[in-house]
Formats: sequence, structure tokens, C-alpha cells
Amino acid sequence: RKEVEQDPGPFNVPEGATVAFNCTYSNSASQSFFWYRQDCRKEPKLLMSVYSSGNEDGRFTAQLNRASQYISLLIRDSKLSDSATYLCVCKTGANNLFFGTGTRLTVIP
Amino acid sequence: DGGITQSPKYLFRKEGQNVTLSCEQNLNHDAMYWYRQDPGQGLRLIYYSQIVNDFQKGDIAEGYSVSREKKESFPLTVTSAQKNPTAFYLCASSAKSYEQYFGPGTRLTVT
Repeated sequence: RKEVEQDPGPFNVPEGATVAFNCTYSNSASQSFFWYRQDCRKEPKLLMSVYSSGNEDGRFTAQLNRASQYISLLIRDSKLSDSATYLCVCKTGANNLFFGTGTRLTVIP
Repeated sequence: DGGITQSPKYLFRKEGQNVTLSCEQNLNHDAMYWYRQDPGQGLRLIYYSQIVNDFQKGDIAEGYSVSREKKESFPLTVTSAQKNPTAFYLCASSAKSYEQYFGPGTRLTVT
């Protein structure tokens, strides 16, 4: 079983829509969680950390559910510029980061 | 500008040749990492270093070597022993906090 699993998509949504991605992790000892955004043929860029209490940054909201071992990312009022692949990342221990394969989002005009 | 640089952006080599990928950071980060990314797969850790003159193998270290002689630099050598070297190679660094920040990557093609 993979450490981190994500639906690869693609998710094709119209501008202005709300879209949500989920990601499940297998190691209950995972301590920290992140969402990264990766544009085509570019490096991943940190979008947001995911805190136990949930956190929001503008149009983006991240949630953590430890009991069910999943994290989620909600994007409201989607923009064309949100089109990218979103990587779910879990950290276990000092240097063990596990990356999901990513969920591809395309926002359509 | 503070950040992580990798060079070159694209690299082409013949099979059987060793090649070294550069990674430099001026963020004063202690830890540095090398990953490879293949289509349809998540990033996989090759090597990491938490301090100068020390490094550890990641999940897929076979066929690779690294050095960490300076805090700012963590070069990766892809040796001829690496069976499938063609990939997108990403270097990252982090401070004592845990977010990792990535360089722009090097696309290596071996033919």
C-alpha cells in the first residue's frame, strides 16, 4: 500500500467553481502534512501546511482528519491560474516526506 | 535573491557516463535533499543531508552518490550503475522547521 494516495484526476472545473481534493495516508504516525502545487515541468511549490485545527489562506482551505487518516484541500472561486497538479505530502520522522502522485486540476474559462 | 538553484536545466548524456547535477542554496538551510520524479509517480528520495559532511541514503540511492562539503552545496552524481537515469531531478532544502523548498530541477536524458 502506498504511503500517500490521491485521485490523479483530472478534475476539469469551470471558472468560479469550488473544487475539493482528498488525500489518504497510511501511516498513523505521520506528524505533519502539506499541500504543494506543481505546474507542468516545474518544481513543486509549497501551497500550505495543514494544521490539526484546519487552516485557510484566501480561497484555499486545508483540513486534517486524523481519525480517518485523510487531508483535504478546498479551492473556492477557482481561477484559470489555479490549473496545476496538487501534491499531498505527509511527514513521518525528521526526514521522511512522502509525496502523493498528485491530482491534476484544469480550470476552464 | 535568496533561493535554491540547480544547473543545468536540461542535461543530455550517453549511457555509461557519470554526470553531476549541481544544487546550491543561499537560504542558510541545514538540510538538503535530492529527489527524482518520474511520470505518474510521486517524488522519491535519493539522498539527504542534515549537516555538512554528513548524508544519508534515501529510498532509491543505488546508482547515485552525493557530497556535502559546504552548507550551501549538495551535488548529486548519477553514475553509470543507475539503471534508469532519465528523470526530472529536484533538489530541496529546509531549515529546522519542516517545510521543504525546491529548486527548479534538472531534466536528465540518457540515451
